[in-house]
Amino acid sequence: NAGVTQTPKFQVLKTGQSMTLQCAQDMNHEYMSWYRQDPGMGLRLIHYSVGAGITDQGEVPNGYNVSRSTTEDFPLRLLSAAPSQTSVYFCASRGASDYGYTFGSGTRLTVV
Amino acid sequence: AQKVTQAQTEISVVEKEDVTLDCVYETRDTTYYLFWYKQPPSGELVFLIRRNSFDEQNEISGRYSWNFQKSTSSFNFTITASQVVDSAVYFCALSEESYGGATNKLIFGTGTLLAVQP
Repeated sequence: NAGVTQTPKFQVLKTGQSMTLQCAQDMNHEYMSWYRQDPGMGLRLIHYSVGAGITDQGEVPNGYNVSRSTTEDFPLRLLSAAPSQTSVYFCASRGASDYGYTFGSGTRLTVV
Repeated sequence: AQKVTQAQTEISVVEKEDVTLDCVYETRDTTYYLFWYKQPPSGELVFLIRRNSFDEQNEISGRYSWNFQKSTSSFNFTITASQVVDSAVYFCALSEESYGGATNKLIFGTGTLLAVQP
């Protein structure tokens, strides 16, 4: 049981490049979310999903796209990276009967 | 709008001291959920507790205890006899109820860095 797996753990991008942060969970959880963590700002919700084929925007969705074609996977796409997207990104999942979200170990992204 | 305030940015204590981390929240919902998460230096986020708005009973788990008071919109976290391993950033979070009870969106506070000195 791997829990929530995020890849890569570290990534450096140049401004304007695109990339996809991967998130996979093997717990058959319905709910998945992406957060970004910035110094002094806590974690902020980017996008979330309540099931395969259903996604919605969170607090800071601009510059990011998501899709949920399967229950297991919830990738986060950066369309054209900007230095303001330098952050640590966390993916989280939760089953309907669970009390709390399970978080992945994070992806540290630097955009230069 | 929902908001979580953790006014204490950093707290430093000596081992075995008790320490309380404050959390004040704002919401217009009558049904909501409050959480505490721990982020140790290794960076992962560890779920500690969830409390729903209808349950004001205080909770104790070992050296950890939580005091939920709706009258003051607070959900404070106390560590008794702190240890060096308690050193971490602690986040308080709030979630509304939606989709038949599911809590899908967490609003986090900015976190409190707790440093426990030996």
